[in-house]
Amino acid sequence: AQTVTQSQPEMSVQEAETVTLSCTYDTSESDYYLFWYKQPPSRQMILVIRQEAYKQQNATENRFSVNFQKAAKSFSLKISDSQLGDAAMYFCAYREIQGAQKLVFGQGTRLTINP
Amino acid sequence: DTAVSQTPKYLVTQMGNDKSIKCEQNLGHDTMYWYKQDSKKFLKIMFSYNNKELIINETVPNRFSPKSPDKAHLNLHINSLELGDSAVYFCASSRQGVYEQYFGPGTRLTVT
Repeated sequence: AQTVTQSQPEMSVQEAETVTLSCTYDTSESDYYLFWYKQPPSRQMILVIRQEAYKQQNATENRFSVNFQKAAKSFSLKISDSQLGDAAMYFCAYREIQGAQKLVFGQGTRLTINP
Repeated sequence: DTAVSQTPKYLVTQMGNDKSIKCEQNLGHDTMYWYKQDSKKFLKIMFSYNNKELIINETVPNRFSPKSPDKAHLNLHINSLELGDSAVYFCASSRQGVYEQYFGPGTRLTVT
């Protein structure tokens, strides 16, 4: 079974600085999707960024980028120019391409932004 | 226009009661999901339906029964509620073959 591990329960960063959240996963599949979701205090789950495993290029979305290391099964999220609105729980998630396509989530990292 | 809606958003009830949570999506998706987020914020799949057919049932107690009357709705009925059922329940939907799942706002269930 696939597993996702986020080893940092909490992280903090100064406003305007850069922070990196870590994620590792385990799978025997060669093709899959990886995601980072943000959950602010409103508890709404918001998709931040996705990565297709067959793509070597790291995904970027404005201030958010990933470092995808397929051989190492590592998928970290970098947030540049951190803003107060970035404060939230961040979840790394894995999804198989075939089959039931459920999301398998990591334990989450609580990100605090210090003004 | 709400894409995925859940009712109610908050539910407080006593042990032993039976309750239902409703989910509706207006995105035209063919697959719907229920996830449970526990007190430690851990999210785990419970059920998934594709075109009204159950395709995932992740070792959930049979007190939980999902029902999908049509592709746009997936309800969750819980019998004989227990303290450990207290959690946030999220509904989500997606189109088969498309990567993104859209989440509802969640229902916070508190069992006293």
